[in-house]
Amino acid sequence: GQNIDQPTEMTATEGAIVQINCTYQTSGFNGLFWYQQHAGEAPTFLSYNVLDGLEEKGRFSSFLSRSKGYSYLLLKELQMKDSASYLCAVMDSNYQLIWGAGTKLIIKP
Amino acid sequence: GAVVSQHPSWVICKSGTSVKIECRSLDFQATTMFWYRQFPKQSLMLMATSNEGSKATYEQGVEKDKFLINHASLTLSTLTVTSAHPEDSSFYICSARDGDRNWETQYFGPGTRLLVL
Repeated sequence: GQNIDQPTEMTATEGAIVQINCTYQTSGFNGLFWYQQHAGEAPTFLSYNVLDGLEEKGRFSSFLSRSKGYSYLLLKELQMKDSASYLCAVMDSNYQLIWGAGTKLIIKP
Repeated sequence: GAVVSQHPSWVICKSGTSVKIECRSLDFQATTMFWYRQFPKQSLMLMATSNEGSKATYEQGVEKDKFLINHASLTLSTLTVTSAHPEDSSFYICSARDGDRNWETQYFGPGTRLLVL
């Protein structure tokens, strides 16, 4: 079956760095997405990786290793507003998105 | 760019009534739109995929006669929850793909909270 694994919850301190990992096993691969979802709101797009390596976008970076079925989202200089759930999703061979359950990130002052 | 709107944002209805939710892509043409449902503290659950001008493809376990989806134009898809019951209360979110650019990325609407009494 298809599976996306990410930690359920993480806690970090304001101003620090946090890395949220995602491992996947899917039938085919057409890219990996990270979305941010604040409580009670819809997800917003953060990043898309289809090739191996690191993509940097401001305070957020996303890394992909296709051979390891692994990605991480790196958040630097954490701010209180970064408290949210972070969803990892993989597009399979049918171009369907397979969603992880999300990682709830709690930022403490 | 890539803005998706949903209407209404909140709806409360009596059991047995039907509710229509609209999803619009405001600044792009959405060849494909998706409807998701999310229960509290749970992940997104894909309900159906709709392509403009064709019938929606429903995920296993989703009743197509209960959740009617219409994608009549490249900018509008509607989800109608027919004969709603309290167990249908949930957060319904649509997303859309821009057929011309960044085709792989789904952009989400703000969601619709449905409460069935």
